Formats: sequence, structure tokens, C-alpha cells
Amino acid sequence: NAGVTQTPKFQVLKTGQSMTLQCAQDMNHEYMSWYRQDPGMGLRLIHYSVGAGITDQGEVPNGYNVSRSTTEDFPLRLLSAAPSQTSVYFCASGRSSNQPQHFGDGTRLSIL
Amino acid sequence: AQTVTQSQPEMSVQEAETVTLSCTYDTSESDYYLFWYKQPPSRQMILVIRQEAYKQQNATENRFSVNFQKAAKSFSLKISDSQLGDAAMYFCALRRGDSNYQLIWGAGTKLIIKP
Repeated sequence: NAGVTQTPKFQVLKTGQSMTLQCAQDMNHEYMSWYRQDPGMGLRLIHYSVGAGITDQGEVPNGYNVSRSTTEDFPLRLLSAAPSQTSVYFCASGRSSNQPQHFGDGTRLSIL
Repeated sequence: AQTVTQSQPEMSVQEAETVTLSCTYDTSESDYYLFWYKQPPSRQMILVIRQEAYKQQNATENRFSVNFQKAAKSFSLKISDSQLGDAAMYFCALRRGDSNYQLIWGAGTKLIIKP
């Protein structure tokens, strides 16, 4: 039972580069979300999805895009990386947002 | 606006003793959900306990229990018989009970267990 799988675990980018963080879950969860975690702060919601084809913005969506073409996958795209996006990124899924969330192992992203 | 505040950046406790982590929140809703999550050094986020606001009974999960004071908007986590494996960051989170799907998180409390 894989749960929530995030790839890659670590990534270094140069300013202006683009990349996609992958997230996949095998629990048939409808709700998926992306967070960033910065030192001294709690998790901040970037984008979330309540089902395939449905996405919405969270607290800090600027600079990030998402899509949800299938129930299993919820990729996060950085179109033009900026140093302010250096952070640890977590993907999570749950049957709904009021149910326990299952988290991936996180991606540590550094933007130079 | 909803907020979640964890006023203790760091707490320490002797192994086998009891420790309480505090969490206060602000919401105008009457129906909502509260969570405590644990993040050990491995970075994986793990659910500790969940409380539904409409339930008066405090949630418990083995050595973990909460003191939910709805009027005071307080949701503290008590860890009994602390173990070395309890060392981690602990995060409190709030989710409104309506169609708003967002979880709001506190800044976390680092728990240190002294052997």
C-alpha cells in the first residue's frame, strides 16, 4: 500500500526554470492538496482539489498551477521559479478535508 | 478570518511524564473540525487525533488526549507517559464544517523528550 507518493524528494532549480512536482495516491481519495512548509510557520495551503477536474486556490496560490485529470494524480507546476519558492512541499489526500489527511514524504525545493 | 495559534514554539518533558501542548483558534463557525498532527524528524506528517466541534466528549487515542474547550476556543493536546518516540513537531489544524475545504494550520510546537 503506497499511500501518497511524491517525487522528487529533493530538487535544486535556477531562477526562472520551470518544473512539476508529482503527487499520486492509491487510496481513491477525492480530496487532494498541496502545502508549503517554511521555517517557523505552519503548513500553508497552495491549491486543493475536491475531485477529478475540480481545483481551487488556497492561501498562497501565486506562482503555482495545478490540474487534476485523474483521481490519483495531482501535480504542482512552478512556471517560473523564484527564490521565494524555496521551501518544503507536501502533498496530502483524504476522503474529504474534514477526514484525516495522508501526507507524502515531502519535496525539498531550493531555488538559486 | 480563521486563525490557529500555538503559543509554545518549544516544550520539553522528562520521559514517562505528562506534557500538554496548547492550541487556540478563532472561527465564527459553530461546526468545525480540529486536528493534531505530528511531524517527526523523518518529515512525515502523521495524524494524532481528531475532534468534531459538535461532540462534547474529548477525543482520546491511547496516550494522547485533548482538552477541547469550545467556548474558550482552546484545543490542547495532552501526552501521557511520554516516550522518546514522541519527540517531534506537533501541529494543530482547523477545518470549517461547511463547504470551505481549507485546513488552517498553527506554526507548530517542537516537543523534546529528555531521557
